[in-house]
Amino acid sequence: DADVTQTPRNRITKTGKRIMLECSQTKGHDRMYWYRQDPGLGLQLIYYSFDVKDINKGEISDGYSVSRQAQAKFSLSLESAIPNQTALYFCATSASGGFFNEQFFGPGTRLTVL
Amino acid sequence: GQSLEQPSEVTAVEGAIVQINCTYQTSGFYGLSWYQQHDGGAPTFLSYNALDGLEETGRFSSFLSRSDSYGYLLLQELQMKDSASYFCAVNNFNKFYFGSGTKLNVKP
Repeated sequence: DADVTQTPRNRITKTGKRIMLECSQTKGHDRMYWYRQDPGLGLQLIYYSFDVKDINKGEISDGYSVSRQAQAKFSLSLESAIPNQTALYFCATSASGGFFNEQFFGPGTRLTVL
Repeated sequence: GQSLEQPSEVTAVEGAIVQINCTYQTSGFYGLSWYQQHDGGAPTFLSYNALDGLEETGRFSSFLSRSDSYGYLLLQELQMKDSASYFCAVNNFNKFYFGSGTKLNVKP
């Protein structure tokens, strides 16, 4: 079984709709991250959380919000989707302490906003 | 702000050695990571350098020079399965910033 799962894997939605992407992990890691990837670009950090009560904005948080429901669950919401949010979205986890440098990524969610 | 520069594409033949460079500018620095991503797949961790020098993991090695804000990934004995995109990423106080990636094409 996958250690980091994302649902849905693919989603097509319309401009103005609210959409939630979910991430779950069984690695027991405290730290969780949301990234987006556009073609030809690297991963851009949207939000990150170092524990259930800790939420931090990343490089490109405008238009997004997150919720850390439990240590194992971290959700990303687009309150009112727009076409330039069409991208591949990845959730990632890492352990705290000395091994925080290695991130484990989920399989990604391909989002299309029409 | 942060900026990372890597070549956009590199081509090499099977069995050869290839080096992918990464230069960075960042306001804070804990270390430099490298990730591999096959088309349509998730990035997977390859290596991490916190201190100057060379780290070796099998066919892959990674180097860091903090004074030069420079690192590289060295892939030896290239195999067809190494065809993928490779990303460097700086750890800026536990926030990670990724380069745009280098697409490696391995030819027979």
